[in-house]
Amino acid sequence: QSALTQPRSVSGSPGQSVTISCTGSSSDVGSYKFVSWYQQHPGKAPKLIIYDVTKRPSGVPDHFSGSKSGNTASLTISGLQAEDEADYYCCSYAGTYVVFGGGTKLTVL
Amino acid sequence: QVQLQQWGAGLLKPSETLSLTCAVFGGSFSDYYWIWIRQPPGKGLEWIGEINHSGGTYYEPSLKSRVTISVDTSKNQFSLKLSSVTAADTAVYYCARVTGSGTYYFDHWGQGTLVTVSS
Repeated sequence: QSALTQPRSVSGSPGQSVTISCTGSSSDVGSYKFVSWYQQHPGKAPKLIIYDVTKRPSGVPDHFSGSKSGNTASLTISGLQAEDEADYYCCSYAGTYVVFGGGTKLTVL
Repeated sequence: QVQLQQWGAGLLKPSETLSLTCAVFGGSFSDYYWIWIRQPPGKGLEWIGEINHSGGTYYEPSLKSRVTISVDTSKNQFSLKLSSVTAADTAVYYCARVTGSGTYYFDHWGQGTLVTVSS
């Protein structure tokens, strides 16, 4: 199984919106609603911000949102804030295995 | 409040066996799956494998011949063993809790353990 494909980097100014794509295949993203997204600040453990494609855990700000179309999932961060600068990873359940995206570095300009 | 605390040797020589343990505090241990994930320096997250309620395991195919994940329900702990390590196994290793059964995500993580393989 191959890693999910994410852009290596995205950037935006405070207040703007950015979208990070996550492309898989019909074996993973396209077949399951179990796509999750993790935020990782330098030197820290990843933190769950989206699960089941669109759901936000308690305590995660509502300017994070997720969606999926076919084999591609997306994370949208609206109203960018300085503290959103981090690495973001998508993840898909695929039955007998789990696959992550390569990660996207978000820079807030 | 759920907390995962992990420990294990941080420096190994090639061919040795990596051994890490993760203790779970809070929550119901038997209601969840448990997983190990690693992150090579400067790189992304890699799934190593998981163990479910009944002790069933799933492993990343490229690591399957070297990996064992086990659980000690009496201590609310689970462990990772990776044999015959090489420099390519140098990474930060994380344990995490899997919420499955109709969903699938990792909601609580350990603090991470840097394991360096060097002669």
